Amino acid sequence: SQQGEEDPQALSIQEGENATMNCSYKTSINNLQWYRQNSGRGLVHLILIRSNEREKHSGRLRVTLDTSKKSSSLLITASRAADTASYFCATAGDQNNNDMRFGAGTRLTVKP
Amino acid sequence: DTGVSQNPRHKITKRGQNVTFRCDPISEHNRLYWYRQTLGQGPEFLTYFQNEAQLEKSRLLSDRFSAERPKGSFSTLEIQRTEQGDSAMYLCASSSFRRPEDTQYFGPGTRLTVL
Repeated sequence: SQQGEEDPQALSIQEGENATMNCSYKTSINNLQWYRQNSGRGLVHLILIRSNEREKHSGRLRVTLDTSKKSSSLLITASRAADTASYFCATAGDQNNNDMRFGAGTRLTVKP
Repeated sequence: DTGVSQNPRHKITKRGQNVTFRCDPISEHNRLYWYRQTLGQGPEFLTYFQNEAQLEKSRLLSDRFSAERPKGSFSTLEIQRTEQGDSAMYLCASSSFRRPEDTQYFGPGTRLTVL
């Protein structure tokens, strides 16, 4: 069964704008990860945030985690048309990530 | 590091036939995972190997599904007597326990269509 729920299900923005996607989950976690998937392709790991971290940055990506609300957000700044993809959050109950559970994803479209 | 590869990339079969997919993980990775992804959904965990040992199986993995990793390197996923509901993307991922985050690296997937 899937653990995370992404919100919104779909997001359409103009190039240069920021995109924010949210993820909520139900049980306690060791870490939360964000992945990206281009249409018909495999998933690419973007960033991992541990349960004792509140914010993490990687290039144009900023991830926050609020364990009290069981939620996370992914912010992509200065979006580009090449950012068009589906974005998934995945939660893991332990550091080995053997029990990763994915949400249904947010489909992001960045218009040039 | 050539990445995770999966073959075939696409498979079309008739209901009732058996199919087998192959996954070649990143060479030094000892963990290998299979997921299934249907349209508009995220990947769902099917099973996981550490070296050649199959350590966990999801209840999604019915008796018609079997996975092997005989030498702790490549893995195969076989579906017997396929049903239309088996149509999905089957994703393989691998990871190494030596990496602190144990990030999983995904292959491109095998898209199965059951007619």
